Amino acid sequence: RKEVEQDPGPFNVPEGATVAFNCTYSNSASQSFFWYRQDCRKEPKLLMSVYSSGNEDGRFTAQLNRASQYISLLIRDSKLSDSATYLCVVTGGGTYKYIFGTGTRLKVLA
Amino acid sequence: DGGITQSPKYLFRKEGQNVTLSCEQNLNHDAMYWYRQDPGQGLRLIYYSQIVNDFQKGDIAEGYSVSREKKESFPLTVTSAQKNPTAFYLCASSIGLQGGYTFGSGTRLTVV
Repeated sequence: RKEVEQDPGPFNVPEGATVAFNCTYSNSASQSFFWYRQDCRKEPKLLMSVYSSGNEDGRFTAQLNRASQYISLLIRDSKLSDSATYLCVVTGGGTYKYIFGTGTRLKVLA
Repeated sequence: DGGITQSPKYLFRKEGQNVTLSCEQNLNHDAMYWYRQDPGQGLRLIYYSQIVNDFQKGDIAEGYSVSREKKESFPLTVTSAQKNPTAFYLCASSIGLQGGYTFGSGTRLTVV
């Protein structure tokens, strides 16, 4: 089983739609969780951290479910500019490493 | 502006040649990292350094070497021992494990 797993997509959604991605992780001792956004041929950029209580930043909402070992990202009112690959990142649990998922590709269609 | 700078943006290497990728940050971050990304794949950790004059191997360190003589700088050398070096190389830094990474804009290395 991979340490961090994501559905690669692509998720093709119309503008204005709501879309959600999940990411599962295998290390129950993991402590920190993030979502990154990566545009084609660019570096990843931090989108948001994921807290146990859940957190929201504008149209983006991140949730953590420790019991089932997954994190989620919800994007409301999708924009064309949201088209990108979204990377799930998990760290901690006694290890230095940030473990990156392979990403979920989102295409928002006009 | 604080940030992390990688150079060059594009690099071409001949077979059997060593090349060095530069990574400089002015964020005063203690930890620095090198990742490799291949098409359609996730980021894989090559080396990391949590303090000056100390660094650790990541998951795919074979064929690579690094140094950390200054807090701001963490260059990566891709040696001739790396058999498949064509990839997108990303340098990152962080203030600790809790804060997330800041990435440089990457170097695309191609073997010709």
